[in-house]
Amino acid sequence: DTEVTQTPKHLVMGMTNKKSLKCEQHMGHRAMYWYKQKAKKPPELMFVYSYEKLSINESVPSRFSPECPNSSLLNLHLHALQPEDSALYLCASSHSLVQPQHFGDGTRLSIL
Amino acid sequence: AQKVTQAQTEISVVEKEDVTLDCVYETRDTTYYLFWYKQPPSGELVFLIRRNSFDEQNEISGRYSWNFQKSTSSFNFTITASQVVDSAVYFCALNAGGTSYGKLTFGQGTILTVHP
Repeated sequence: DTEVTQTPKHLVMGMTNKKSLKCEQHMGHRAMYWYKQKAKKPPELMFVYSYEKLSINESVPSRFSPECPNSSLLNLHLHALQPEDSALYLCASSHSLVQPQHFGDGTRLSIL
Repeated sequence: AQKVTQAQTEISVVEKEDVTLDCVYETRDTTYYLFWYKQPPSGELVFLIRRNSFDEQNEISGRYSWNFQKSTSSFNFTITASQVVDSAVYFCALNAGGTSYGKLTFGQGTILTVHP
C-alpha cells in the first residue's frame, strides 16, 4: 500500500463532462505533484505545489485545473478533455522539492 | 536543460543472473539529485534511491547496488542474483536547476524481464 492515496482508481468520462481527481497524503510533506503518463512512456510533470502554492506549471492546457486546498490534499479538476488526454495520472508528494517523491497508484483516465 | 538517457530499452535475463541498468545524465548545474524508480506492472512508481551531486559514494542495499560517477555523468544500477519479482520498468531521473527544483526529468525507462 502506498502512503499517497489517489481516487478514483479508474475514470471514464465524456468530452463534455467535468470531473475531479483527488490525492491525499498524511506524511507531512509540503510539496505535491501531478504527472501524466502515457503507455510505455515515462511520467511527464504537469504541476508542482510547494507549501500550497503553485510553483511549476508545465504549460498544461487550461482544461486541467489544479487545486491545493491544504497541505494534505491535491485535486485536479478536469473539463472538456480530449481523447488524447487518456492516460494514467499520478500524484506524488515529498518533504521538500529535492527530497524523493513518493507516488500514489494513479488514476487511469479514459476519455470517450 | 536537463536530460537523462537510458540506452537500454529492454533487457531480458534468467533468474539469478546479475544485470546492470545504465543511466547517463546531462546538466549544467553543480547541485543536482539523481533517483531510481521501479514501476511494476501494477503501475505504481516505487522510489529506490536518491543520490546528490556531492556524494559519489557507491551504495549497496541487499541485492541492489548503485555506481555514481560524475566523471562520466553516469548513475548505473545493478541487481545481483535477479528474481522474477524484479521484472518491472526502471526509470532513472534527475532533479536539478534552481527554480526548477521539484521537476523530475525521467529517462525513457528500461523494461527488465526476469525469466524463471
